[in-house]
Amino acid sequence: AQTVTQSQPEMSVQEAETVTLSCTYDTSESDYYLFWYKQPPSRQMILVIRQEAYKQQNATENRFSVNFQKAAKSFSLKISDSQLGDAAMYFCAKGEYGNKLVFGAGTILRVKS
Amino acid sequence: SQTIHQWPATLVQPVGSPLSLECTVEGTSNPNLYWYRQAAGRGLQLLFYSIGIGQISSEVPQNLSASRPQDRQFILSSKKLLLSDSGFYLCAWSTPKFSVGNEKLFFGSGTQLSVL
Repeated sequence: AQTVTQSQPEMSVQEAETVTLSCTYDTSESDYYLFWYKQPPSRQMILVIRQEAYKQQNATENRFSVNFQKAAKSFSLKISDSQLGDAAMYFCAKGEYGNKLVFGAGTILRVKS
Repeated sequence: SQTIHQWPATLVQPVGSPLSLECTVEGTSNPNLYWYRQAAGRGLQLLFYSIGIGQISSEVPQNLSASRPQDRQFILSSKKLLLSDSGFYLCAWSTPKFSVGNEKLFFGSGTQLSVL
């Protein structure tokens, strides 16, 4: 079975600082997609960023960027200039055939003021 | 614009009672539809997905079932709830793609189910 592993159950970051959330995955496919979703206390799942595996360039969305290492099967999320509103559970996910995403267990991010 | 509606927001049910959670999507046609469950403090587990009316795929054998009676309606059901069915249930949709999963999911607001 395809798996997605988030090894950090919880992370903390000081407001305005940078934090990196880790994600590794298992795959035998050459073409796939990777995602980071955010789940704030409202529990609404929100897409943060998406990476296409065939693209070498790392995806960036404002303060959010990824470090995609295809050979290492690693997909980390970097949040720059952390804000209080970034506090949430973050899920890494991998896209499989037919849009079936496989999610990691999540990382709780706490932002300290 | 597309919207997804999921209800109820919270539900408390006794063990052995039936369940029906409904999800509808507006503003799009022939979406892929999904039911996920999130146990307390854990990640999302895909329960069912559907690529069309009456077409349901089950990912995990369990006490639940799903149906898609209309193009944009997805229902999660159970005849007799178990304690282990408690959790946060999320409905989601995506545009239909039939190759590698490359489209983002749009999630509903979720249903917190407590089975007592």
